[in-house]
Order: sequence, then structure tokens, then C-alpha cells
Amino acid sequence: GEDVEQSLFLSVREGDSSVINCTYTDSSSTYLYWYKQEPGAGLQLLTYIFSNMDMKQDQRLTVLLNKKDKHLSLRIADTQTGDSAIYFCAESPHGSGNTGKLIFGQGTTLQVKP
Amino acid sequence: EAQVTQNPRYLITVTGKKLTVTCSQNMNHEYMSWYRQDPGLGLRQIYYSMNVEVTDKGDVPEGYKVSRKEKRNFPLILESPSPNQTSLYFCASSPRQTTGELFFGEGSRLTVL
Repeated sequence: GEDVEQSLFLSVREGDSSVINCTYTDSSSTYLYWYKQEPGAGLQLLTYIFSNMDMKQDQRLTVLLNKKDKHLSLRIADTQTGDSAIYFCAESPHGSGNTGKLIFGQGTTLQVKP
Repeated sequence: EAQVTQNPRYLITVTGKKLTVTCSQNMNHEYMSWYRQDPGLGLRQIYYSMNVEVTDKGDVPEGYKVSRKEKRNFPLILESPSPNQTSLYFCASSPRQTTGELFFGEGSRLTVL
């Protein structure tokens, strides 16, 4: 069935790069998403990638998609303490166009140490 | 300010006491949805609505009801809450159901004793 897996925790030093990884099962997903959840807040869409793309860059964020391995990653360059949050990978599985459902991973807690 | 507003943000209740979590959006979005977030499980969809008077079940609808009488409001109703419904609940909206760009509320933390 549909499933999205992420590692649960990542700790980096301020100024380093962070790489958060995600694997998914539905190869027909049209879009893949990264959401960010800050403490006590709802999720915010950070970026997304269309399934026919390999890479998307948006300022400090780089999304890499390996469709063959069904692997998605989010790289944050020059990580800052304000980047500390939970990051969710999500896919829009095939056939979900009528439900709007996203399948979310468990979330990766990013801890940035000064 | 464009936003999704949920109330209450925090609630402690007892088994069997009916409660409603309200959700309102001011962006004129057609699509609205409820998710619950549990540790280690990510977010799971409870119910969704594609427009006024159109609602349908998500992945974990048992024990919940919703209604969509107006475009802006999408309340979540727990008729007889049980401890396994202790969770963090999020309402989300989107301009249309075919996009994954969801706008989330701040969440409602519910504890059922």
C-alpha cells in the first residue's frame, strides 16, 4: 500500500548543511512535498517537486528526486537555528486527485546546535 | 490575513462527552480536510470535503463526523469520544482538491480521559 518513510531525528551544527531523506512507495505520485512544522504550529508547505523533475532549488533548499529508487531528499544549506523544526515528506498518491489526500511520513525532527 | 482557525487549541474531556472542534478558513477555499497527528505515525486523514455539502471519509473516520454547511466552516464532531481519540488534530484547506498545497490550522490538542 501507500507508505512514506523518514528517519526520525537529525542533529547538525549551525552553518552546516542538513539532508533529510524520505522514501515512498507509490511510483505514480504526481507531486512530492516537503512540509515544515515549527513547535506549537501547524504544517507549512516548504517546497514541492513535480515527478518529472530530478532536482529543484529554491534559495537554501534543494530537493532531489530519484524516481527509480523512490527516494526524495531535502537539503538545507547553511542551516540556521531557525530551521529547527519537524520536516514532513508527503506524496500525492495516484488516484488521490478526487480526495486531495496526502500521505505523510512520520516526520524528521531537525535539531540545529549553535 | 489568510488563515485557518481552529478552536479550541487545547481540550481535556472525559469518555463519552460529545465535543466539537471548529475550523474556519477565510481564503474561500473549496477543499477542506481533517488530519490527526500521532507520534510515529505522521498525519492521517480523517475526513475531507470538496465543497459545500460534499464530505467523504478519509483513512481513519471511525468515531468522527463532519459537516460542511458553509464554505468557510468544517467542524469535526466526536459524538462519544474515547481515549484512543487522544491526539493532535489539524484542519487544512486548499483552493482545490487536486493540489497538495494545504494550508493548515495551528492544531487542536485533545485529551480524552
